[in-house]
Amino acid sequence: EDQVTQSPEALRLQEGESSSLNCSYTVSGLRGLFWYRQDPGKGPEFLFTLYSAGEEKEKERLKATLTKKESFLHITAPKPEDSATYLCAVQAPLSTGNQFYFGTGTSLTVIP
Amino acid sequence: NAGVTQTPKFQVLKTGQSMTLQCAQDMNHEYMSWYRQDPGMGLRLIHYSVGAGITDQGEVPNGYNVSRSTTEDFPLRLLSAAPSQTSVYFCASSSFGGVGTQYFGPGTRLTVL
Repeated sequence: EDQVTQSPEALRLQEGESSSLNCSYTVSGLRGLFWYRQDPGKGPEFLFTLYSAGEEKEKERLKATLTKKESFLHITAPKPEDSATYLCAVQAPLSTGNQFYFGTGTSLTVIP
Repeated sequence: NAGVTQTPKFQVLKTGQSMTLQCAQDMNHEYMSWYRQDPGMGLRLIHYSVGAGITDQGEVPNGYNVSRSTTEDFPLRLLSAAPSQTSVYFCASSSFGGVGTQYFGPGTRLTVL
């Protein structure tokens, strides 16, 4: 059973065209939800951590929000340098072995 | 600040060969982990460690061994490589007993022929 599902798989935006990426999860007792950016050939780069429903975090053109079943990564007026794969991960309760579960990512392309 | 380092960056093995992927961190993090990343599968946890001398299995541990003799180092060993282990491997570390944010290394791309 998938713990984390990200949509869409791929997204093409014109520069300046705002949009949102979705991450839905089924883990009970969520200990944290994480957003990462991954560029080709590199390791994931940390963006945000969210711990409870209603929480929001912002960084430049990115804003992450969390509800009880999903998280959104809002991208406002994106630029070509925002092109990357965005990964979502959740941390399950300690009783399940302190596992982190990752989604398969959304590949974002921003066209000049 | 080096963060999390991994060596080698690329490796080609023949079926049945053994090798060790190296991972080191200089942030004094207690928690370290190994993931593999395959197309369409996302990152999957192989093994993790909550401190020196303590390791445990993740989601896909078969065919891999780990040990944690120091806080800084967490090597991943493939005892007898198989083509199914062709993947990109990432090491990560975090503080706060694994509750905090994980920081990833640059990865090792492994091909098993």
